[in-house]
Amino acid sequence: GAVVSQHPSWVICKSGTSVKIECRSLDFQATTMFWYRQFPKQSLMLMATSNEGSKATYEQGVEKDKFLINHASLTLSTLTVTSAHPEDSSFYICSARDLGAGSGSLDEQFFGPGTRLTVL
Amino acid sequence: GQNIDQPTEMTATEGAIVQINCTYQTSGFNGLFWYQQHAGEAPTFLSYNVLDGLEEKGRFSSFLSRSKGYSYLLLKELQMKDSASYLCAAMDSNYQLIWGAGTKLIIKP
Repeated sequence: GAVVSQHPSWVICKSGTSVKIECRSLDFQATTMFWYRQFPKQSLMLMATSNEGSKATYEQGVEKDKFLINHASLTLSTLTVTSAHPEDSSFYICSARDLGAGSGSLDEQFFGPGTRLTVL
Repeated sequence: GQNIDQPTEMTATEGAIVQINCTYQTSGFNGLFWYQQHAGEAPTFLSYNVLDGLEEKGRFSSFLSRSKGYSYLLLKELQMKDSASYLCAAMDSNYQLIWGAGTKLIIKP
């Protein structure tokens, strides 16, 4: 099956620093990747849709200057949390669509293992 | 607006059967997904329904009624490892997933 990796798995940082999270599709190409945030005991919340070679589309209420997304290739998207603060502590998950799955296949998203960010 | 409703928590006994319900309201509809999520981990795909009816896959089955905006996930022969949150998500006309808050399933011996 399709595999998506995320790095790092967990990170602890001081308030005011920036943190970069990588999302990679290991065995398929993904023109579209999604970034989600999940607070404890809450549902996944879509932050932005990342399209290869173009600007990301951010959901309402998500600051694009704070959460920088770069989708430089068909297998890599990065999320940078700039000037992180304790309220940014959360579980960040990326997912990707398989470009080569074909029009007849279900539009499944493959999830990375997630990155737990703790901002002190 | 778009909305997904599912129970917050359910409890069942090992070896039994449990049904987790989900109702949805979306702008357009391109399918209904069920995911399993263990604590601290990312969701994993369980099932996808786009046509009315029951889809069976081993111990897990998923049902969809488009006219009622309703789906359920049926888990048979429950095992302790099935203790997890089960997320219902509907795909709208823009192919965006609208997520429910998840149902925490607790399995007791």
